[in-house]
Amino acid sequence: AQSVSQHNHHVILSEAASLELGCNYSYGGTVNLFWYVQYPGQHLQLLLKYFSGDPLVKGIKGFEAEFIKSKFSFNLRKPSVQWSDTAEYFCAAGSGYSTLTFGKGTMLLVSP
Amino acid sequence: DGGITQSPKYLFRKEGQNVTLSCEQNLNHDAMYWYRQDPGQGLRLIYYSQIVNDFQKGDIAEGYSVSREKKESFPLTVTSAQKNPTAFYLCASSISGDNEQFFGPGTRLTVL
Repeated sequence: AQSVSQHNHHVILSEAASLELGCNYSYGGTVNLFWYVQYPGQHLQLLLKYFSGDPLVKGIKGFEAEFIKSKFSFNLRKPSVQWSDTAEYFCAAGSGYSTLTFGKGTMLLVSP
Repeated sequence: DGGITQSPKYLFRKEGQNVTLSCEQNLNHDAMYWYRQDPGQGLRLIYYSQIVNDFQKGDIAEGYSVSREKKESFPLTVTSAQKNPTAFYLCASSISGDNEQFFGPGTRLTVL
């Protein structure tokens, strides 16, 4: 069965620290990968996506993610977090005509 | 202004009553989805529809029903058979099953 796992349920960082959130997927064949963010009280919105091409993907607000096919991973990174990055982050994967499968989410708290 | 609307934002119902949550999109997307979001469990797929007049069960369909009579609309009914209906419900749409999903603001249902 298709699955997406996120390594950490909760992450606490100080402002200016670097961030890396892990995401692994189990899919056969071609896969589309996504990171979504849900800021407190706001819609779930897309941070970035990978369909094909350059495995290093840049998204909004300084986030990036790297697709490593051999490791079935799509980790999210940001060099220096801000208090405003406090949110819940979801990794998702989709293949062919299937629906997306979402991870359980990682709650990031950035202390000022 | 294109997007997805869900109404109402908050909904209270007595135990044993059916309740219908509204979801409308004007993005001209073929696919629509309903998710349930509970703390620590991520997004769990309830039902999805790839095209008008067709829909499929997701991972947690028991106690829920849907219809897709129009491309723009995908209402979800939470029936009295749903054992634990209090939750945050998210509606989404996409061009196709494996593509980026756009989310509505959600409806928080509380069953008393």
